[in-house]
Amino acid sequence: DAGVIQSPRHEVTEMGQEVTLRCKPISGHDYLFWYRQTMMRGLELLIYFNNNVPIDDSGMPEDRFSAKMPNASFSTLKIQPSEPRDSAVYFCASSFNIFSGNTIYFGEGSWLTVV
Amino acid sequence: GNSVTQMEGPVTLSEEAFLTINCTYTATGYPSLFWYVQYPGEGLQLLLKATKADDKGSNKGFEATYRKETTSFHLEKGSVQVSDSAVYFCALSDRGYQKVTFGIGTKLQVIP
Repeated sequence: DAGVIQSPRHEVTEMGQEVTLRCKPISGHDYLFWYRQTMMRGLELLIYFNNNVPIDDSGMPEDRFSAKMPNASFSTLKIQPSEPRDSAVYFCASSFNIFSGNTIYFGEGSWLTVV
Repeated sequence: GNSVTQMEGPVTLSEEAFLTINCTYTATGYPSLFWYVQYPGEGLQLLLKATKADDKGSNKGFEATYRKETTSFHLEKGSVQVSDSAVYFCALSDRGYQKVTFGIGTKLQVIP
């Protein structure tokens, strides 16, 4: 069974460019999470969806960040325009019925460098 | 709100040493508790979990017991190996608060 699939695995882009990160959750999972990990701030929850609906986006740092989930098998995280401080590893994760004690499954991450 | 507090690392141990990584939590409801592990260059993966008080989660020689009276979920292993070198995250999910909260992560380095 395939896990959470993220793309691209690595991206290097110039400041001001648009970045789109993609995620395919595990089939049947009804929760999808986007996390950001940096050395300075650790693991931060950016936004999560339940049944494709955004539930909590309080972690999205600013208007430059947006996330969508048009269907149960696909989500995007977009940064426009990108800045060097956005350099981080972005993880997508999914779960079934997370608040009943179920496991969150993480993708391998998208390593973003903004120069 | 909910929070998870875990010891800051790095923790450096010799192979076969005993490991304890402390984790305490604050939650408004009755959370489920987790330990996740992140190996270099990879995403987080579940190590073990416990969903109610006094439950013990265990996996790969690691153990943690859900202690409601002390709001703790400390991770232990009797004899660590070099391959256990990773970052360990304590986490909780709270049905009432509809949040998943991770600790800052504790880096473990095991030297031969």
